Amino acid sequence: EAQVTQNPRYLITVTGKKLTVTCSQNMNHEYMSWYRQDPGLGLRQIYYSMNVEVTDKGDVPEGYKVSRKEKRNFPLILESPSPNQTSLYFCASSYRGDYGYTFGSGTRLTVV
Amino acid sequence: KQEVTQIPAALSVPEGENLVLNCSFTDSAIYNLQWFRQDPGKGLTSLLLIQSSQREQTSGRLNASLDKSSGRSTLYIAASQPGDSATYLCAGYKESGTYKYIFGTGTRLKVLA
Repeated sequence: EAQVTQNPRYLITVTGKKLTVTCSQNMNHEYMSWYRQDPGLGLRQIYYSMNVEVTDKGDVPEGYKVSRKEKRNFPLILESPSPNQTSLYFCASSYRGDYGYTFGSGTRLTVV
Repeated sequence: KQEVTQIPAALSVPEGENLVLNCSFTDSAIYNLQWFRQDPGKGLTSLLLIQSSQREQTSGRLNASLDKSSGRSTLYIAASQPGDSATYLCAGYKESGTYKYIFGTGTRLKVLA
């Protein structure tokens, strides 16, 4: 089954403790992206990647890092999480980046 | 500035009604539009994808259209069912130097049995 897999689904952590949210896709898509979803603000792009070793900032990149060492994986790294990063996070992939997005099931992150 | 507006923000209808959800873009340069469904706390499920060369797509009881000249898309749901209750999001691709979909904030639909 073609899918985007995120882990973990739920995560509660403390301020300043580094964490990584993993994202993997099995569709051989070149494009991958991370979004966060907050009430009243909708979905906002954090980072995206057009291919292996090619990443760029989205609208809200502060406090996040990404890497794309393999085509299928695109982890999101929070080096020093803060409470304002409490949100619902989604990973997405697409063949080219301009249509046909497939989303993961989401990761609900709470930073206390 | 909200680039994508979805109207109405919330909608409650009795089962069996036909309904229309609206999505409009401030910049009509949007193309390749996709409609998603999101259940509470869950991921986004793709419903319909309209590429720039197309005007509409149909899947079962769903029909989506795209009018690029006006920057508008509509999602038509026929014979609504309680299982259709969810938030519906539209997203469009805008070639602006960054590769991303621009999302609306959604329409929360409740279909009453």
